Amino acid sequence: DAGVTQSPTHLIKTRGQQVTLRCSPKSGHDTVSWYQQALGQGPQFIFQYYEEEERQRGNFPDRFSGHQFPNYSSELNVNALLLGDSALYLCASSLIANTEAFFGQGTRLTVV
Amino acid sequence: AQSVSQHNHHVILSEAASLELGCNYSYGGTVNLFWYVQYPGQHLQLLLKYFSGDPLVKGIKGFEAEFIKSKFSFNLRKPSVQWSDTAEYFCAVNLNTNAGKSTFGDGTTLTVKP
Repeated sequence: DAGVTQSPTHLIKTRGQQVTLRCSPKSGHDTVSWYQQALGQGPQFIFQYYEEEERQRGNFPDRFSGHQFPNYSSELNVNALLLGDSALYLCASSLIANTEAFFGQGTRLTVV
Repeated sequence: AQSVSQHNHHVILSEAASLELGCNYSYGGTVNLFWYVQYPGQHLQLLLKYFSGDPLVKGIKGFEAEFIKSKFSFNLRKPSVQWSDTAEYFCAVNLNTNAGKSTFGDGTTLTVKP
């Protein structure tokens, strides 16, 4: 049973570019949440997708957007990248009715 | 908005020492509480969780945590640490049955000397 998988594992982008990160949830899970973890800090909630819709959103600008597909996988898009967007981006999957989330290994994004 | 504070940024212990990592949260309503561990190069893993009932929660690898509602605390403990416990530990809280939206502390890095 595969856990949460994220791709790519590492990415280097130039300021102003756009990036797309991908996440496949754990088998049987229907909800995907995205977090940003800056160096030396804990993960911060970006948004959550359920039934292909954004269900909740944290305090992140509109440059951060996402999508959930019918197979429950998800994408995180970040436009107009800033140096400050450099971080580890984590995907967590869960069942909407459950209370335990499982995390992927993350995508390390470096903006130069 | 709720917040989570982890008091110790970096803890260094010798093997067999006892461990206690502090965690306080700022919300007065009903919360679910979690401790996650992140070993070097690995993903976040759930150590233990508290939803309701017995405030002393036992998790994997000999860890336990005690929920003290009056102190808004959920401290993590282990009687005797091992070198393999070297990792980063995160306390997290969410406010309802939505597991996806959790607020995390900034983490405590634990280094266990052999």
